[in-house]
Amino acid sequence: AQRVTQPEKLLSVFKGAPVELKCNYSYSGSPELFWYVQYSRQRLQLLLRHISRESIKGFTADLNKGETSFHLKKPFAQEEDSAMYYCALPFANDYKLSFGAGTTVTVRA
Amino acid sequence: NAGVTQTPKFRILKIGQSMTLQCTQDMNHNYMYWYRQDPGMGLKLIYYSVGAGITDKGEVPNGYNVSRSTTEDFPLRLELAAPSQTSVYFCASSYFGTGYSYEQYFGPGTRLTVT
Repeated sequence: AQRVTQPEKLLSVFKGAPVELKCNYSYSGSPELFWYVQYSRQRLQLLLRHISRESIKGFTADLNKGETSFHLKKPFAQEEDSAMYYCALPFANDYKLSFGAGTTVTVRA
Repeated sequence: NAGVTQTPKFRILKIGQSMTLQCTQDMNHNYMYWYRQDPGMGLKLIYYSVGAGITDKGEVPNGYNVSRSTTEDFPLRLELAAPSQTSVYFCASSYFGTGYSYEQYFGPGTRLTVT
């Protein structure tokens, strides 16, 4: 069965330091993976998806099929990056998304 | 487009009361979802719908009901509110079909407190 694991519940970094949010998945086939972000008391919004291979707000995420990972990275964290981040992938042969438990990132000045 | 809208934004209920959380989307999406987000926790799927007249249970459906009479609207009904239903509720929608993406679009959420 598909599953998304975000091992870190909380992540605290200093401004200007690199930040990496881990996401591991189990899925049979080639998944479409997403990172969603939720700023304080706001709606979830799509940050990026692996198929577009884009960098949004300085974040990138590389799909590593060998390690079944889709870690989110940013070389220089900013205070406005403080938010909750969710990794998500579709259920197998289904349209519903399975979300990880989320990682709360705090960027300190 | 307004996207996905939800009302109300906040609500306090007494134990045993009932209420309906409203959700509307104007993107002509066929699929709609209700999630709850408990403090410090992730998202749990309550109910979902693949089109007007079709709904199905998610992970945590107990204590809730839904209906989907139109493509645009997907209200969530809480019957006999309990403190365990204190949460933030998010509605989402997506399009599944030719050229589909699994991306879901979320509403701003309803913060519900049951006391």
